[in-house]
Amino acid sequence: NAGVMQNPRHLVRRRGQEARLRCSPMKGHSHVYWYRQLPEEGLKFMVYLQKENIIDESGMPKERFSAEFPKEGPSILRIQQVVRGDSAAYFCASSPPPLGQPQHFGDGTRLSIL
Amino acid sequence: DAKTTQPNSMESNEEEPVHLPCNHSTISGTDYIHWYRQLPSQGPEYVIHGLTSNVNNRMASLAIAEDRKSSTLILHRATLRDAAVYYCVYIQGAQKLVFGQGTRLTINP
Repeated sequence: NAGVMQNPRHLVRRRGQEARLRCSPMKGHSHVYWYRQLPEEGLKFMVYLQKENIIDESGMPKERFSAEFPKEGPSILRIQQVVRGDSAAYFCASSPPPLGQPQHFGDGTRLSIL
Repeated sequence: DAKTTQPNSMESNEEEPVHLPCNHSTISGTDYIHWYRQLPSQGPEYVIHGLTSNVNNRMASLAIAEDRKSSTLILHRATLRDAAVYYCVYIQGAQKLVFGQGTRLTINP
């Protein structure tokens, strides 16, 4: 049973470009979460999605960031017009229903902005 | 918002028990306490979780104080592979994990 798969593992972008981060949850998991980890800090919640629905986006910056979890395919975290401050590790997690189950994390995408 | 407080770092010796403390005096009565650990360049790994009573699994034990204001993660026999940052985490709204700064555990051979 494959774990949570994230790609790419490393992504380099120049300021002003777009970054797309992908996450395939574990089989049977219908809940997907995105977290961001700045250097030497703990993880911060960004968004929680179920298939085709954003349930909680209280941790998402108001501009330039968006997330989706389509009916088919992986969840996507999209960052438009990236800035230096977006440099971080972005982790995806998934869990099965019902709510409150332990979350299983991928190994993250490390985004570097030049 | 509730929060968790942990020591920044701890050190132990291989094959000895390790007790990692966490204070969470402001969590609500229905919030579960979860523990995750993170190795370098990896995502967090679930360790254990509980609500009121002590819990055991193949990785660790979790001792929760009777007043629920603190808990202790117990690694019964530490190995070098247990060196990691350990996070005491609570779940907000049944789905949002709230991480603190964590405890960096060093294991000496």
